[in-house]
Amino acid sequence: DTGVSQDPRHKITKRGQNVTFRCDPISEHNRLYWYRQTLGQGPEFLTYFQNEAQLEKSRLLSDRFSAERPKGSFSTLEIQRTEQGDSAMYLCASSPYSEVSTGELFFGEGSRLTVL
Amino acid sequence: RKEVEQDPGPFNVPEGATVAFNCTYSNSASQSFFWYRQDCRKEPKLLMSVYSSGNEDGRFTAQLNRASQYISLLIRDSKLSDSATYLCVVRGTGRRALTFGSGTRLQVQP
Repeated sequence: DTGVSQDPRHKITKRGQNVTFRCDPISEHNRLYWYRQTLGQGPEFLTYFQNEAQLEKSRLLSDRFSAERPKGSFSTLEIQRTEQGDSAMYLCASSPYSEVSTGELFFGEGSRLTVL
Repeated sequence: RKEVEQDPGPFNVPEGATVAFNCTYSNSASQSFFWYRQDCRKEPKLLMSVYSSGNEDGRFTAQLNRASQYISLLIRDSKLSDSATYLCVVRGTGRRALTFGSGTRLQVQP
């Protein structure tokens, strides 16, 4: 499978714990995005990387959230001191340079976080 | 006010019906517009781009009205397989990220 891969698919944690999600984008895609989606809502933008550079961050991304893409390939999203309001589906998407005109992001199946 | 607003629906229509969704966006400087489709418990996928002149892809027609800041999607001859949530998506000036609306749910019934 050469699509966007996310791990883990499901994570249940207790409030206050740290969690980390990993995203492996499509190999030739230099752009990588993290979104968060809750029930009945569309995906909300969190952050964007072009290669290893984090070029855009949403105001939604509090200081408890950090994302990295160290070698311009896979990315990690860490949430520290989780809160119940962090429960959501965390979606990773990647795109090639041409996406600027096509608007096509390729999403992974997501990592579902439940904070108890 | 949300950057992209959609009627959440659901729209329940019989097979063969024509259905239209509208979406409004708040940033008049927005540059690019798209419709994505999201099946239940699946990831969003690009359905089509929306151009100022309007564009068609088979049974789907998308239109953009920049003056009124709204985007529409028309689905003709609805199929059961069209049942999904349709997300209106906008890209702002100078931004790489896409902003998604909350989606309009369509249920096509036999």
